[in-house]
Amino acid sequence: EIVLTQSPATLSLSPGERATLSCRASQSVSSYLAWYQQKPGQAPRLLIYDASNRATGIPARFSGSGSGTDFTLTISSLEPEDFAVYYCQQRSNWPLYTFGQGTKLEIK
Amino acid sequence: EVQLVESGGGLVKPGGSLRLSCAASGFTFSSYSMNWVRQAPGKGLEWVSSISSSSSYIYYADSVKGRFTISRDNAKNSLYLQMNSLRAEDTAVYYCARDLKLEAVTRYYFDYWGQGTLVTVSS
Repeated sequence: EIVLTQSPATLSLSPGERATLSCRASQSVSSYLAWYQQKPGQAPRLLIYDASNRATGIPARFSGSGSGTDFTLTISSLEPEDFAVYYCQQRSNWPLYTFGQGTKLEIK
Repeated sequence: EVQLVESGGGLVKPGGSLRLSCAASGFTFSSYSMNWVRQAPGKGLEWVSSISSSSSYIYYADSVKGRFTISRDNAKNSLYLQMNSLRAEDTAVYYCARDLKLEAVTRYYFDYWGQGTLVTVSS
């Protein structure tokens, strides 16, 4: 099983600041990684797929990078609605998908 | 507009059974692989099961293999999850989720999710 480890567990920032979230895989997943955003009481929302491609309707302030074992989700300038929990997910080991444990992005 | 609406959750005793349904609309259901993903209270996401568009290929997480059965009815635009021998650790919100498809190729990410249905296994 491919284990995804996200860091930090919690990130405290203010609106307008830049957020950098990390996801590390226990073995290479090539570029087969996605990022999701989940707000309280809501379903997850796909943000980024294949490490760096924004999903339909996702604002340009969200960007993804990385390959192999190290990946980053960057939010260039935080908006109030961006405070949520973010998960990474790999599909390299399809069909044995795995998710990271999540990073909570909270308002400082 | 793509919509996925789950139903069938509830309180069940350990060892009991439950059948979840997911009603799909706003897209050609028969062309997409579908999935169940769950989230225990206050925890992260866990993939449970996947089924291909024609039901030819079915996959399960080890944690549910032999106890859960995924199925679909393309004529009814519906996805199902039959859950037997339920355990306390199966307590979670269960989401149905559609596979992302680009240029007719399935990409194995989840682009649309339902609102979820809560399953509680407790005596």
